[in-house]
Amino acid sequence: KNEVEQSPQNLTAQEGEFITINCSYSVGISALHWLQQHPGGGIVSLFMLSSGKKKHGRLIATINIQEKHSSLHITASHPRDSAVYICAAAPRGGATNKLIFGTGTLLAVQP
Amino acid sequence: NAGVTQTPKFRILKIGQSMTLQCTQDMNHNYMYWYRQDPGMGLKLIYYSVGAGITDKGEVPNGYNVSRSTTEDFPLRLELAAPSQTSVYFCASSFLGRTTITDTQYFGPGTRLTVL
Repeated sequence: KNEVEQSPQNLTAQEGEFITINCSYSVGISALHWLQQHPGGGIVSLFMLSSGKKKHGRLIATINIQEKHSSLHITASHPRDSAVYICAAAPRGGATNKLIFGTGTLLAVQP
Repeated sequence: NAGVTQTPKFRILKIGQSMTLQCTQDMNHNYMYWYRQDPGMGLKLIYYSVGAGITDKGEVPNGYNVSRSTTEDFPLRLELAAPSQTSVYFCASSFLGRTTITDTQYFGPGTRLTVL
């Protein structure tokens, strides 16, 4: 069993829909990262959070430390949101920013 | 700032050949990383560096070598390329202070390597 698991693996949505991507982890963490990988391959960091909720534009990330679960929400989805979304755990006690990555959720938003 | 740059973007190698993947960052980050990404798998850490002159193995270091002679550059060397090294390689960097455990990693655009 992977230490970081994402669901669903694939997700197709219609433009305008509210989208949720889930991430569960089995290790103690200092923080949880969400990243976006564009169709062209580039990877950008979206959020880093250790508690509560963060919002940036139409993206919202939440984390429940007790349940070892995080969600990424996209409101009013748009075809340009089509990408792979990756969560990554930063294990507690690590001092080198080594991350444990999930396998990603491939999101396709259709017009 | 250019951020993290990688060269080449694409490369095809024959089995047994060697090559160096270049990575440069201009953000004065102390930490740098090399990852490989295989289809259906999460990013796997190959090697990382916490500063110039200091490198350490990650999860999948076999068949690779690195060096970090400057803060900016972190080349990844493949010796005796094998088909199992066909992958997309990403370099990343971050800045960690003395009391910071984790922070944003900035990724390069990737190098797609095929070994035939």
